[in-house]
Amino acid sequence: DVQLVDAGGGLVRPGGSRTLSCVVSGFSLNSSRMSWVRQAPGKGLEWVACISGSRGYMYYTESVKGRFTISRDSAKNSVSLHMSSLRAEDSATYFCVRENATAHGSFDAWGQGTTVTVSS
Amino acid sequence: QSVLTQPPSVSGAPGQRVTISCTGRTSNLGAGFDVHWYQQLPGKAPKLLIYGSKNRPSGVPDRFSGSKSGTSASLVITGLQAEDEAVYSCQSYDGALNGNWVFGGGTKLIVL
Repeated sequence: DVQLVDAGGGLVRPGGSRTLSCVVSGFSLNSSRMSWVRQAPGKGLEWVACISGSRGYMYYTESVKGRFTISRDSAKNSVSLHMSSLRAEDSATYFCVRENATAHGSFDAWGQGTTVTVSS
Repeated sequence: QSVLTQPPSVSGAPGQRVTISCTGRTSNLGAGFDVHWYQQLPGKAPKLLIYGSKNRPSGVPDRFSGSKSGTSASLVITGLQAEDEAVYSCQSYDGALNGNWVFGGGTKLIVL
């Protein structure tokens, strides 16, 4: 079975850093593009970043460029999101997701989410 | 402000049919990119409901169907059930946003 387990959320001061992790099972990270999607309280979903399966290319939404870094460790079956210079508007539940190329690039598997709160 | 526009809420009685719209732009839906739909139950992670505009993953009832035309897409739910009460979100790719997936703001379905 495909499974994604998110972790690492918590309370962070503005300007601080936090690293989120996502441990996956049931598939290979080398053949799957992985993304982080966030959802602020009471708001819609927002795609944040992705890393491609084969070559590890990284893409980011404009508001996090230069502050967030997505990475993966295929040996540990994990994907990480290092967040720095955090702002109040980064407060959200962050979901790790798998993009399924055979399902037209849809996000067919989601982690349970981990919540980041940026506040002083 | 979400790139894809959805109504904040829709409602229907059990057994009825409801339609949730998703309006995009020439850079996403209008450019021919697929639309996907997700169902999010309270306190849970989203779940893929429809992919490639009209395809259902294994296990999704055929009460759920999707379509797309031009810059708009629709999710139709027939035979409404109480457990369908959830937030439904559409998603597509936007060619003007350099690698960005975009979502709608989500529509709360209320089963009366």
